[in-house]
Amino acid sequence: SAVISQKPSRDICQRGTSLTIQCQVDSQVTMMFWYRQQPGQSLTLIATANQGSEATYESGFVIDKFPISRPNLTFSTLTVSNMSPEDSSIYLCSVVYSYEQYFGPGTRLTVT
Amino acid sequence: EDKVVQSPLSLVVHEGDTVTLNCSYEVTNFRSLLWYKQEKKAPTFLFMLTSSGIEKKSGRLSSILDKKELFSILNITATQTGDSAIYLCAVDTNTGNQFYFGTGTSLTVIP
Repeated sequence: SAVISQKPSRDICQRGTSLTIQCQVDSQVTMMFWYRQQPGQSLTLIATANQGSEATYESGFVIDKFPISRPNLTFSTLTVSNMSPEDSSIYLCSVVYSYEQYFGPGTRLTVT
Repeated sequence: EDKVVQSPLSLVVHEGDTVTLNCSYEVTNFRSLLWYKQEKKAPTFLFMLTSSGIEKKSGRLSSILDKKELFSILNITATQTGDSAIYLCAVDTNTGNQFYFGTGTSLTVIP
């Protein structure tokens, strides 16, 4: 299995600011995924973070708004830029390891 | 377009009841179907199903996959208040990188 840690676990931010979320995995993995879960909704994939290349973004998500770093095989960051209240959500880091998907504990973001 | 649909969207039962949660899917190059329980933030893994007709069981929870009819069910017997959570179904494919998640079923078990 893979153990994932994420920080911060929660934050309250003002609109217009940016927040960087960190994700650390205890195993080397090729791909790391960033999901968003807005209130009352299921998980939506934001992007796939690839080590050594640019992240791959899903439709509706752009690099300027959600820049991602992946400096090595165990770590990634997601930045939520120029935040608005619509960005209030849970952000989850995830990896696939031995065909099973594991999730980090999540970051609950509230934008006021 | 690949999609995963769960039903019901929400369910309220009394302790001791048995519940059945449904997940149907339409994806190309199906590889596996996974069930998760989400209580607070992060989903926790329950089952992974790859073959039709083989029941997976863990305590009071069990699940089975029908690859012909493209659905899976998750059964919870003798429900307890601790079973209250959102149950997510996700499908993995041989193409692309992402797991396709359903909208989830919100289960509330009342004493």
